[in-house]
Amino acid sequence: NAGVTQTPKFQVLKTGQSMTLQCAQDMNHEYMSWYRQDPGMGLRLIHYSVGAGITDQGEVPNGYNVSRSTTEDFPLRLLSAAPSQTSVYFCASSYSSGAYYTFGSGTRLTVV
Amino acid sequence: KQEVTQIPAALSVPEGENLVLNCSFTDSAIYNLQWFRQDPGKGLTSLLLIQSSQREQTSGRLNASLDKSSGRSTLYIAASQPGDSATYLCAVYNNAGNMLTFGGGTRLMVKP
Repeated sequence: NAGVTQTPKFQVLKTGQSMTLQCAQDMNHEYMSWYRQDPGMGLRLIHYSVGAGITDQGEVPNGYNVSRSTTEDFPLRLLSAAPSQTSVYFCASSYSSGAYYTFGSGTRLTVV
Repeated sequence: KQEVTQIPAALSVPEGENLVLNCSFTDSAIYNLQWFRQDPGKGLTSLLLIQSSQREQTSGRLNASLDKSSGRSTLYIAASQPGDSATYLCAVYNNAGNMLTFGGGTRLMVKP
């Protein structure tokens, strides 16, 4: 009963590098989302998906890319890391519209 | 654009007190509302979900109410304990039920 699993837990990147944050859920949830949490800004939605093959932009999508080829996985790609992308990233999933959201434990990313 | 505000931003109370955390939102066309708890350096733990047709929801010492027309929700914690110390976040669902907008949170400290 793993829930939502995020890897890695910590990552340091140099400016301009690219990387993928992994998110997997084993609850057969249709909806998955990525949020970033910054001091003073709260949690903000980056991208979300309502099912395999369907993704859409949230509030702060610039610099990030997503795809959803399976129900279980929803990776977040940083195309060219910038110091402004230093943040804690959370993946979340939900069974359906309006249902409980379950969050992963987060990835703390530092871009130097 | 939906905006969610939580007051107070921080709260310190002695053990045993009953307390109320407030959440307000600007657009009353919400699907549901969910309250979360976040411990330092951790992910979000779901506490209560209130459907838009409900007025309140209870779980143990927690009671959450919702008044859609006035754009308000409250989280009532009875007989507070030091273990309740955490940040409490409210999140409103958009009218499609597939996106969350978070408040900035209330940081609660319960002193023994």
